[in-house]
Amino acid sequence: RKEVEQDPGPFNVPEGATVAFNCTYSNSASQSFFWYRQDCRKEPKLLMSVYSSGNEDGRFTAQLNRASQYISLLIRDSKLSDSATYLCVVNRNNNDMRFGAGTRLTVKP
Amino acid sequence: NAGVTQTPKFRILKIGQSMTLQCTQDMNHNYMYWYRQDPGMGLKLIYYSVGAGITDKGEVPNGYNVSRSTTEDFPLRLELAAPSQTSVYFCASSRKPGELFFGEGSRLTVL
Repeated sequence: RKEVEQDPGPFNVPEGATVAFNCTYSNSASQSFFWYRQDCRKEPKLLMSVYSSGNEDGRFTAQLNRASQYISLLIRDSKLSDSATYLCVVNRNNNDMRFGAGTRLTVKP
Repeated sequence: NAGVTQTPKFRILKIGQSMTLQCTQDMNHNYMYWYRQDPGMGLKLIYYSVGAGITDKGEVPNGYNVSRSTTEDFPLRLELAAPSQTSVYFCASSRKPGELFFGEGSRLTVL
């Protein structure tokens, strides 16, 4: 089993749609969690951290369920510029950061 | 502000050759990482470092070596290159866990 697993996608949605991505992790000792965004042929960039109580950043909402070892990302009112691959990232002990394989999103006009 | 700088950006190697991918950061970050990303796949951790003089293996360390003699530099050494090492290599640094800043990547082809 992979340590970090994500919905494979791809997700193709119209502008204005709401879309949700899921991620599960296997190491129960994992300490912190993040979502990154990667545009085609570019480096990943931090989108947001994921806090236990859930957190929002504009149109983006992240949730964490430690009991189920599950992380989610919700994007509301999708924009064309949201088209990218979204990577779930888990911090194991000692800052050993593990990435999921990513979920590709395409937002269409 | 340069951030994380990787060199070279592109390289073609023959099987059995060796090379070093350079990575330097000017943000005074303690944590540095090397990942590889194969086409259509996620990033796999090769090695990481939590400070000068300290390195640890990640998921896929075989065939690679690293050193961290200074805070700024974290070179990745490939010994005896193999076609399976064809990939895009990303170096990253962070001040605190999770907030990684990546270089633009180094595309390596082994023929």
